[in-house]
Amino acid sequence: DGGITQSPKYLFRKEGQNVTLSCEQNLNHDAMYWYRQDPGQGLRLIYYSQIVNDFQKGDIAEGYSVSREKKESFPLTVTSAQKNPTAFYLCASGIARPYEQYFGPGTRLTVT
Amino acid sequence: AQSVSQHNHHVILSEAASLELGCNYSYGGTVNLFWYVQYPGQHLQLLLKYFSGDPLVKGIKGFEAEFIKSKFSFNLRKPSVQWSDTAEYFCAVNEVSGANSKLTFGKGITLSVRP
Repeated sequence: DGGITQSPKYLFRKEGQNVTLSCEQNLNHDAMYWYRQDPGQGLRLIYYSQIVNDFQKGDIAEGYSVSREKKESFPLTVTSAQKNPTAFYLCASGIARPYEQYFGPGTRLTVT
Repeated sequence: AQSVSQHNHHVILSEAASLELGCNYSYGGTVNLFWYVQYPGQHLQLLLKYFSGDPLVKGIKGFEAEFIKSKFSFNLRKPSVQWSDTAEYFCAVNEVSGANSKLTFGKGITLSVRP
């Protein structure tokens, strides 16, 4: 069954702790993306990777970090430096030209 | 920088009413255009897409969109909405230049359909 999996669905952390969100895809896509979705703000790009061992900052990368050691995996770490980490995080993967993206189910992170 | 505008934040319609959701973008070059839909509790999924050719594109569930290059617009339409169309709708744009695979999303429009 092909697709994108994100785990866990809900995640709770205390302020000051780093937390890593998982994203795995078995679609054989080269590109992967992380977005943050907040009410009324749409999807904002955090980081993206077009190829293994390479990634670029998106529009709101501050306080986040990523790695891309395998084609199938693109974990996102929300660090304690992120000022407002509570949000819904969406992972996507995509095909080259014309860059259609496919989305995972998301992880809702709550930091208190 | 590229930007995408979606004109209404919340649209409320009765079943069988016609729907048009506006989307405008700012990039002057060649673009790929997308509409995504997020039904309550479900994944974001692709509704339809435009890459080239016929500017009127048809998607799933009876949706269509028209690309008007002179107006930088890609409005989504459906002749008769159903209660099951209640969802959040996002327009997205990719600039076709180099190897940039980024999509820029609008802020989304919440559609509520009354039975």
